[in-house]
Amino acid sequence: EAGVTQFPSHSVIEKGQTVTLRCDPISGHDNLYWYRRVMGKEIKFLLHFVKESKQDESGMPNNRFLAERTGGTYSTLKVQPAELEDSGVYFCASSLGGLAVDTQYFGPGTRLTVL
Amino acid sequence: AQSVSQHNHHVILSEAASLELGCNYSYGGTVNLFWYVQYPGQHLQLLLKYFSGDPLVKGIKGFEAEFIKSKFSFNLRKPSVQWSDTAEYFCAVNQLILTGGGNKLTFGTGTQLKVEL
Repeated sequence: EAGVTQFPSHSVIEKGQTVTLRCDPISGHDNLYWYRRVMGKEIKFLLHFVKESKQDESGMPNNRFLAERTGGTYSTLKVQPAELEDSGVYFCASSLGGLAVDTQYFGPGTRLTVL
Repeated sequence: AQSVSQHNHHVILSEAASLELGCNYSYGGTVNLFWYVQYPGQHLQLLLKYFSGDPLVKGIKGFEAEFIKSKFSFNLRKPSVQWSDTAEYFCAVNQLILTGGGNKLTFGTGTQLKVEL
């Protein structure tokens, strides 16, 4: 069974540009999460989808970040315009759903560098 | 707000030494606890988890963790580390999302473990 995949693995952009990150969850997983780790800090929750609906976006830093999950399959996270402080590793995770608590499986992450 | 503390940021051990990584959380309610590991160049993998039942949890690769509710702790242990255990270790606590199911994780800052031959 394929795990969670993310694309690209690395992205280097200039301040003010736009970047779109993609996450493909494990097939059949209803829950999809985005997390971010800024260098030297902890991994922080950004938002959570249940199927195509945003369940919780309390961790989104500001309105420059837009996440979508059309059709309840893959998800994209767009940063527009990017700022220096957006640099970090963006992780996606998925879980089966249907339970109050279940295990999240993480993708390899996308390392974003904003110059 | 919920928080997780990992007191050891960098740990260096020789092979065969015993390991204990500390993890404390701040949340008064029912918790579910996880340890994830990230080996160099790889993605985060689940090492072990505690949902309920026996507070001593055994995970993969000989790791175990003990949930001590009175101390708000979930320390990770391994009796004898190997060079291949060199990785970054993350403690995480769930935060239940009350509507719609699922959970979001609150992570500690991670502990970088280096095992020397």
